[in-house]
Amino acid sequence: GENVEQHPSTLSVQEGDSAVIKCTYSDSASNYFPWYKQELGKRPQLIIDIRSNVGEKKDQRIAVTLNKTAKHFSLHITETQPEDSAVYFCAASITDTDKLIFGTGTRLQVFP
Amino acid sequence: KAGVTQTPRYLIKTRGQQVTLSCSPISGHRSVSWYQQTPGQGLQFLFEYFSETQRNKGNFPGRFSGRQFSNSRSEMNVSTLELGDSALYLCASSQDREGEKLFFGSGTQLSVL
Repeated sequence: GENVEQHPSTLSVQEGDSAVIKCTYSDSASNYFPWYKQELGKRPQLIIDIRSNVGEKKDQRIAVTLNKTAKHFSLHITETQPEDSAVYFCAASITDTDKLIFGTGTRLQVFP
Repeated sequence: KAGVTQTPRYLIKTRGQQVTLSCSPISGHRSVSWYQQTPGQGLQFLFEYFSETQRNKGNFPGRFSGRQFSNSRSEMNVSTLELGDSALYLCASSQDREGEKLFFGSGTQLSVL
């Protein structure tokens, strides 16, 4: 069935370093790939998304890249700050439906 | 514009009971999705409603059901509660017809004892 795998499950970095989270998806026809950030005790919030007709998208310190051939996409956070500490979820749309399948999440800790 | 509102925020039930959770989407959003969040399992899709019709359904037993009203508000019902149903239940709404760009509520934390 449809599946999204996300790695790593936890990631610790020093403030100012970069962080990369990777996801792979199984449905080759998926065409929408959002990333959500969930801070402790709060709701998931959309931070960036990309569609299958684009290979890369940037928004200030965050960027997402998509490799359709390999069926994987990645979130890149540069110059990390303590407030970037949260759980990050990737997701992929499922063909012929309107639902999103989420990865299992990555807990990012940024140490000052 | 008010965000997605979920009530109640916390619920404690015992096995065998049933529970109803409520979700009010962002004004103008017609798509409402429900997700179950448990530690280590991420967000598991339950179902999605659009214009009062269930458009998609996840792989959950029939004890989990939902509905959407004409004002786009949605309810989720779980009957014959089991211990494993303890989780954070998140509702998300979307303006896009494709159900993308989800905006989440704060969730209802359900504990089954």
